Order: sequence, then C-alpha cells, then structure tokens
Amino acid sequence: QKEVEQNSGPLSVPEGAIASLNCTYSDRGSQSFFWYRQYSGKSPELIMFIYSNGDKEDGRFTAQLNKASQYVSLLIRDSQPSDSATYLCAVDARSPSGGSNYKLTFGKGTLLTVNP
Amino acid sequence: SQTIHQWPATLVQPVGSPLSLECTVEGTSNPNLYWYRQAAGRGLQLLFYSVGIGQISSEVPQNLSASRPQDRQFILSSKKLLLSDSGFYLCAWSPRGEQFFGPGTRLTVL
Repeated sequence: QKEVEQNSGPLSVPEGAIASLNCTYSDRGSQSFFWYRQYSGKSPELIMFIYSNGDKEDGRFTAQLNKASQYVSLLIRDSQPSDSATYLCAVDARSPSGGSNYKLTFGKGTLLTVNP
Repeated sequence: SQTIHQWPATLVQPVGSPLSLECTVEGTSNPNLYWYRQAAGRGLQLLFYSVGIGQISSEVPQNLSASRPQDRQFILSSKKLLLSDSGFYLCAWSPRGEQFFGPGTRLTVL
C-alpha cells in the first residue's frame, strides 16, 4: 500500500511568518508531486507541482523535493490569513512496471491557521 | 480554458434511495476522469477512474458504480444508498498528470 504521510496539524503561524508544510511518501518510484489547497467546504485547488529535486518557486510559494529522502515540502512566505486552509500533498502512483497509472495518492492534509 | 461542472451541489437522500451524480468537462478531449469521496474529517478516497469512454476502474468494493457514456461525461450512481455513503463527492479531470477538481456534491444520507 503506497502511502503519503502529512502532519494533520493544526499548524498555527502568525501573519507575515513562513509556514512550512511537510510530506513523506513511501513509493520510491514516484516522479510527480503536487500540493493542493482546500478551504473549508470547498474542493481542492492545485497550487504547485514539482518533478525534479530541489526548489521550485511560484510567488509566495516554494515547493521543495528530496527524492533520496522521499520528502516534499511547501513553504509559504509572508503568510496571510487567507492562506488558512488544509494543504494536501499528492504523489503520482506508479504501476508495478514503473509507469504512471495516472492516479494520485493523497495525504490526509495539514490544517494551517494564520493568525492576524 | 477547461472547466469542470458537477451537479447537484447539495443533495439530501433517504437510506435506500437511488443516486445519480453527474460530472462534465469542457474545453478538452479524452481526459482521464476520477470520482473521489471525502468523508467528514477524512482524506480523499478514490472511488473510480476512467481513461476513456466505457472504461471504468473501480478502486474499492461498495454499492456505487460509475459510467462514462461520453468522452467528457462521468456519472456516479447507486441503486440503494447507505448511511455510510454520506460525504463530499468530487469529480476530477486530468490531461495526464495533475488533477483538477470540480466544485463537488455534498451528499447527506438520512
């Protein structure tokens, strides 16, 4: 059973601080990694994806990937109250032959609260 | 641009009644389509996915079924709802990697 683990939180940070969200995955063959944001009562929204080791920046968001450690993280700089949401980590699921089977395995999410 | 629609937005059904949820995608062709359920306080559970018309893969045994009668239409059905079927049902589409979710249907079974 391929797994994606996230700290359920809640993670509470003050406005303007850096929020760090972490995710580990069990399938060493995974190639694609995604971060979704889900506001309460709404559907998940894709905010970042990363395929290569290292950092990928998009505005206030930075995704970090370390395949050797099977670890992916999301940093949110200058956190705003509007960033308060549950953040879901998703990893592509691979077939036994190593190819993509076009499914994603989702973590259960980390609840982030940004306090004004 | 691509758009995904789901309806209804909310639904309250008695136990034992049938169910039909519909999902359509605009602005793309031959997408992969997915049905997920998110129970209160729980993670996303993949129910079905489809890589083409008439091709349905089931992820968990249950009293639900799915169909894909047209390229951009995905339907989730049940003949008899159970209390445990309550939840937030999400349809998603994928070009071949990242997935994009529809607005969801909140189902309450009483």
